[in-house]
Amino acid sequence: DTGVSQDPRHKITKRGQNVTFRCDPISEHNRLYWYRQTLGQGPEFLTYFQNEAQLEKSRLLSDRFSAERPKGSFSTLEIQRTEQGDSAMYLCASSSQGGTEAFFGQGTRLTVV
Amino acid sequence: AQSVTQPDIHITVSEGASLELRCNYSYGATPYLFWYVQSPGQGLQLLLKYFSGDTLVQGIKGFEAEFKRSQSSFNLRKPSVHWSDAAEYFCAVGDRNQGGKLIFGQGTELSVKP
Repeated sequence: DTGVSQDPRHKITKRGQNVTFRCDPISEHNRLYWYRQTLGQGPEFLTYFQNEAQLEKSRLLSDRFSAERPKGSFSTLEIQRTEQGDSAMYLCASSSQGGTEAFFGQGTRLTVV
Repeated sequence: AQSVTQPDIHITVSEGASLELRCNYSYGATPYLFWYVQSPGQGLQLLLKYFSGDTLVQGIKGFEAEFKRSQSSFNLRKPSVHWSDAAEYFCAVGDRNQGGKLIFGQGTELSVKP
């Protein structure tokens, strides 16, 4: 078990471009979470999946953000028409159903210039 | 409203000294409580967690935390700090039915003086 994997680790993009991040959870975990962490702040919950179903979305997840988990395994988070305010660390975590602990990946650092 | 407050943004301690990081929470239901550590540019590593039972919980790397319901607190302690403990520490609260959906505090940055 290699833990939660995120790709890429770093992404620099120009304002207005679209970006997509990938998260591979721990293989037996059916719950997957996305968080956003801005500088000097704690992570903030964005959305979570149970298997392929997206069960909850935070109000932080604007219309420009979309997340998918098509086969209940890996997940993607896409940001369309990026803005400078989207610059942050995007963290993915996974847990087993009924599990009481989330395991985090190392995150994707997005910089919008 | 559900929230977590870490009153200290930055703490500096000398190596070998004791450490206490404060955490207060506001949560409607019985909380699950966590402490995570984050090194620069890295993800979060779980130090310890509290669900029920003994209010003093032991974690990895010699850390412990005490749950005090009357004070809505879950402070993290370590008797002797090592230089490698320098990092950002986050307290978080979650629901017992939803282990991965957490509310985090803003973090406490720990610096360790030689």
